[in-house]
Amino acid sequence: QVQLQESGPGLVKPSETLSLTCSLSGGSLSSYYWSWIRQPPGRDLEWLGHVYYSGSTNYNPSLMSRVTISVDTSNNRFSLRLTSVTAADTAVYYCARGGPTVTSFSSIDYWGQGALVTVSS
Amino acid sequence: AIRMTQSPSSFSASTGDRVNITCRASQGISSYLAWYQQKPGKAPRLLIYAVSTLQSGVPSRFSGSGSGTDFTLTISCLQSEDFATYYCQQYYSHPLTFGGGTKVEI
Repeated sequence: QVQLQESGPGLVKPSETLSLTCSLSGGSLSSYYWSWIRQPPGRDLEWLGHVYYSGSTNYNPSLMSRVTISVDTSNNRFSLRLTSVTAADTAVYYCARGGPTVTSFSSIDYWGQGALVTVSS
Repeated sequence: AIRMTQSPSSFSASTGDRVNITCRASQGISSYLAWYQQKPGKAPRLLIYAVSTLQSGVPSRFSGSGSGTDFTLTISCLQSEDFATYYCQQYYSHPLTFGGGTKVEI
């Protein structure tokens, strides 16, 4: 059974960089797209972008200049970096798998439990 | 970006009710539409993809319909565990976008 687990700091200072890692168990990164999605408290879901197991990426244009998603197939994990954060970046961050159709344009069939990241000094 | 609009944003229902939740896309998205259920403090759960294909393990009381820009999630006989927030999502183009959610309350 595919399981995803986010890890990283729960508190980040304004203007600094938010970094999260997603560890995959019960499956392989191969042949799928791996997404980061966030949800500010009480608000809507926002797709940040995804990475293919080969390393190719697509990002949400609203964040494109600040976001980087990378993959580490040897350790079965992928990561998110979001630079120059502000209070507006406070959210639960989910890592997730695109599926069940294996294309760049897909629904999301597996989600991590989510990691709350608060931006505050 | 394609905007997804759900209606209503919330409503009250009772166990056993038949419930319809609608989702409208700002432009045509063919059949690239999914529905999710989210309970407080939990990650969303995929219910339906490709408008009407039930994800494995999802009860058959859930169904989806629609095409183009207008879509509907139907719960045929609401159960206690169905009280949650439901989101639609388009995957016709990047960025992938979600609707604002519909909260189904007792």
